[in-house]
Amino acid sequence: DTEVTQTPKHLVMGMTNKKSLKCEQHMGHRAMYWYKQKAKKPPELMFVYSYEKLSINESVPSRFSPECPNSSLLNLHLHALQPEDSALYLCASSRETGIHEQYFGPGTRLTVT
Amino acid sequence: AQRVTQPEKLLSVFKGAPVELKCNYSYSGSPELFWYVQYSRQRLQLLLRHISRESIKGFTADLNKGETSFHLKKPFAQEEDSAMYYCALHTGGFKTIFGAGTRLFVKA
Repeated sequence: DTEVTQTPKHLVMGMTNKKSLKCEQHMGHRAMYWYKQKAKKPPELMFVYSYEKLSINESVPSRFSPECPNSSLLNLHLHALQPEDSALYLCASSRETGIHEQYFGPGTRLTVT
Repeated sequence: AQRVTQPEKLLSVFKGAPVELKCNYSYSGSPELFWYVQYSRQRLQLLLRHISRESIKGFTADLNKGETSFHLKKPFAQEEDSAMYYCALHTGGFKTIFGAGTRLFVKA
């Protein structure tokens, strides 16, 4: 299995909702990433996990809460989001951090109403 | 400051013409540079990285530290090359910075 999978593909949530995005890979990669991509913009790094430990938090608001329960799974918990948080959320993984190719998932299209 | 600049949002060429997608970077350390591509309705994927010095799908990119550039080139563009291309800088440690992207459109 050489793919990163993400669920759900689409998510619409209200500002008071709590939801979670899920990302999974079975390539034995030990680094996993969350990116946010607004329309016609490049991906922006949010979080990096290395060996299931949070290594980078790019000053992301606390309404986004990442979790890495094991080496194959990465979650992004969402709570009290704002409409400006609407975007495509991409998950990626790489063998390790450093100069390794990142494999991207298809993304979750999030709309906050 | 760490930065990746892709000056062209859109590049349109005819099939068979040479193509060059520009990328300039700003980084005080030793850069590790990549080109990622996103074809229509597909996920973002690696095209090539400078340390490999390889040609993928006819594309090559040379790191020019003097000009702080990593331009992507192909001598003869094909219609299937139409896609969004992102230049990316890995800054050592954990972080990758993407350029704004260039949409390449190859006309028949």
